[in-house]
Amino acid sequence: LAKTTQPISMDSYEGQEVNITCSHNNIATNDYITWYQQFPSQGPRFIIQGYKTKVTNEVASLFIPADRKSSTLSLPRVSLSDTAVYYCLVGDHSGGYQKVTFGTGTKLQVIP
Amino acid sequence: GAVVSQHPSWVICKSGTSVKIECRSLDFQATTMFWYRQFPKQSLMLMATSNEGSKATYEQGVEKDKFLINHASLTLSTLTVTSAHPEDSSFYICSAVPSGRSNTQYFGPGTRLTVL
Repeated sequence: LAKTTQPISMDSYEGQEVNITCSHNNIATNDYITWYQQFPSQGPRFIIQGYKTKVTNEVASLFIPADRKSSTLSLPRVSLSDTAVYYCLVGDHSGGYQKVTFGTGTKLQVIP
Repeated sequence: GAVVSQHPSWVICKSGTSVKIECRSLDFQATTMFWYRQFPKQSLMLMATSNEGSKATYEQGVEKDKFLINHASLTLSTLTVTSAHPEDSSFYICSAVPSGRSNTQYFGPGTRLTVL
């Protein structure tokens, strides 16, 4: 199972773009990268998933360099409601979903 | 789409009693479900992998006789905490992987268990 490393916490002002980087140096060829958001006392919510290059959806973008040893979740123009813990997960799902290990996550605090 | 529910959302019980938590995938079938436990200010810890029609696979250190998992259908998995003690108090979260689309797990809202 690829291990991930993220900053423990980050602060940002409202309206700014926030980039959270995750390191996964031993990522395997078939591994996908998935990001989740978790609010207190709630289950994690799927944000975005990618394999390589760039993926964008209505809430975020995911940048993955060519070597795939890291990935960056980009949240455009954050608001107070984006204050949460963000988890980066890496796992091989090519032959059926395999269990993944949650790291510490990044606690994002958005400041007014 | 991809909605997972848990019931109950919270439960308080006396020490020594058993508590059952249900996890349902509402709009998809899930061959695989996972059960996690989360203590305050900590990350999620995987307890077990639940596959429909077969025995659950428990992570190291998780007592299978204490945390009974039953995945009897493609939309329902249950976790029973037997003879609960105060140290079992935690936030229990399940997730489900859509059958035929195996690259994402979707999480339930969690169940807060408090053992007095």
